[in-house]
Amino acid sequence: EDQVTQSPEALRLQEGESSSLNCSYTVSGLRGLFWYRQDPGKGPEFLFTLYSAGEEKEKERLKATLTKKESFLHITAPKPEDSATYLCAVQEGAGNMLTFGGGTRLMVKP
Amino acid sequence: DADVTQTPRNRITKTGKRIMLECSQTKGHDRMYWYRQDPGLGLRLIYYSFDVKDINKGEISDGYSVSRQAQAKFSLSLESAIPNQTALYFCATSDFVGGEAFFGQGTRLTVV
Repeated sequence: EDQVTQSPEALRLQEGESSSLNCSYTVSGLRGLFWYRQDPGKGPEFLFTLYSAGEEKEKERLKATLTKKESFLHITAPKPEDSATYLCAVQEGAGNMLTFGGGTRLMVKP
Repeated sequence: DADVTQTPRNRITKTGKRIMLECSQTKGHDRMYWYRQDPGLGLRLIYYSFDVKDINKGEISDGYSVSRQAQAKFSLSLESAIPNQTALYFCATSDFVGGEAFFGQGTRLTVV
């Protein structure tokens, strides 16, 4: 059975304090790993898709990386507006549905 | 206007009542999904549909049913609501499975 585990569950940072969020997964054949951002009271918004180990993608202060067992979402010099819950999901095999992790709630204080 | 619209946004209902959550989309996508979100559990798939004549059970379909009335409309029903169905419900669409998913704003359902 697919397992997606995100850590930490919650992370408090000072503005400008860089850190990383982790998403570890156990699937037999990864088709894609997805990162979404969710603001309070809203639906998740797509950030990145990673397909193979070694792949990296960047968007503003966020960089997502992928290995064979986990993905990291690196946040460089975060700002208060980066505060949100970050969700990762994996897809095993083409046509299979996504399995989501529990999310990491990030709080960035000014 | 939002690409994916859910109604109602908030609902309080009593145990045993039937309730329908509605979703409409303007993305033109064939694939639509209903998810449930509970604190710390992420999103869990209830039902999904790849076109108007296609309905599939997800991970947690017991106690729920769906109807795909048109390409743009996908409704979720709770035939007899129970308190442990209290949760945040999201509708989503995508162009293909594994493609970027677009989510509605969610429906907060409380069953008392």
